[in-house]
Amino acid sequence: GQNIDQPTEMTATEGAIVQINCTYQTSGFNGLFWYQQHAGEAPTFLSYNVLDGLEEKGRFSSFLSRSKGYSYLLLKELQMKDSASYLCAVTLDTGRRALTFGSGTRLQVQP
Amino acid sequence: EAGVAQSPRYKIIEKRQSVAFWCNPISGHATLYWYQQILGQGPKLLIQFQNNGVVDDSQLPKDRFSAERLKGVDSTLKIQPAKLEDSAVYLCASSPARGRDTEAFFGQGTRLTVV
Repeated sequence: GQNIDQPTEMTATEGAIVQINCTYQTSGFNGLFWYQQHAGEAPTFLSYNVLDGLEEKGRFSSFLSRSKGYSYLLLKELQMKDSASYLCAVTLDTGRRALTFGSGTRLQVQP
Repeated sequence: EAGVAQSPRYKIIEKRQSVAFWCNPISGHATLYWYQQILGQGPKLLIQFQNNGVVDDSQLPKDRFSAERLKGVDSTLKIQPAKLEDSAVYLCASSPARGRDTEAFFGQGTRLTVV
């Protein structure tokens, strides 16, 4: 089976940096996605990692360690609009490419 | 580029009734997914289509759920009869390629409440 763990909730201050961790145990891992989901809205793509290392995209960065089954999403210069759920999702090496999601981390950014 | 369209946005039905959801993916996207998202959880895959063929329906409760993708474009998801535990947001997503990872684009979903 597949197991993807993320913290349920996090709180951070506007302008600060926050790191959201994700650990996974899967039978046959291919790649890892991070999605952002505002309340009542559709998930939107943030990042994708398939190789070990850090991928940077503006204020958001994502890291992957395949050997440790570990990823994190780093958000810098937090803004109030970053208050949302952050979903970690993996794809398997079955060729089907469907996303298997964790339960998500609800981030609350405070003034 | 138009996004993934879903309708209706909201639906309230009584248990044991039937309901249908409609999805129009992004033009040219061969792969279409239906996900169920229960409040406070991440989306769970129900079914994956490649063109008009089913790739994975292992998590679809086939005694009450059915889905089809007509002519490899639009798709409908049906629940008959509905149960209280089916209350959730039903998300449709599409992606362009097969055989490699690409981002999936999600619609806004249909929020189903079963009373």
